Amino acid sequence: AQSVAQPEDQVNVAEGNPLTVKCTYSVSGNPYLFWYVQYPNRGLQFLLKYITGDNLVKGSYGFEAEFNKSQTSFHLKKPSALVSDSALYFCAAAGKAAGNKLTFGGGTRVLVKP
Amino acid sequence: EAEVAQSPRYKITEKSQAVAFWCDPISGHATLYWYRQILGQGPELLVQFQDESVVDDSQLPKDRFSAERLKGVDSTLKIQPAELGDSAMYLCASSGGLYYGYTFGSGTRLTVV
Repeated sequence: AQSVAQPEDQVNVAEGNPLTVKCTYSVSGNPYLFWYVQYPNRGLQFLLKYITGDNLVKGSYGFEAEFNKSQTSFHLKKPSALVSDSALYFCAAAGKAAGNKLTFGGGTRVLVKP
Repeated sequence: EAEVAQSPRYKITEKSQAVAFWCDPISGHATLYWYRQILGQGPELLVQFQDESVVDDSQLPKDRFSAERLKGVDSTLKIQPAELGDSAMYLCASSGGLYYGYTFGSGTRLTVV
């Protein structure tokens, strides 16, 4: 069964500092990987995805993620965090072997302090 | 930009009552998903449709939950009777295929009292 792990419940970072949110996955076959952000009482907002190609994926709002096949990781990064980046971040994975079912990690709360 | 529509946005219901949620996916998306998200946790799949057929409902509590997508377009998720533990955000998503990803609606926040 496919699974996604986000080892940190919360990440605290000062505004202007780099932000990293960690994610590891287990998917049979080629993985399709996604990052979403969620603000209070809202749905999931798409940030970026890895399907194939370059291991460094660039997405919305200055976010990027690095796909590492050997470490089965897909960490989310932002070079300079903003207070408005404070939210709940979810990593998700899918694969054809699981019938295109999207499986989520438990989420990481990001708090950016001024 | 195309969106997944969900209604209502918020619903408060009493324990043992029936409640229903509606989802209208992006036009042309064959795959539709219902997820349940307990506060502060990751979403968990309840049911997956391919057109009008259920392809995965292994995590759907079938004694009280039902879902349908009669014409392969919009979908309804029903809970009867609602229990206190059903309080959560119910998210609908649609997909035009793995390559294109998944688009989520704004969700329905259910509170059972």
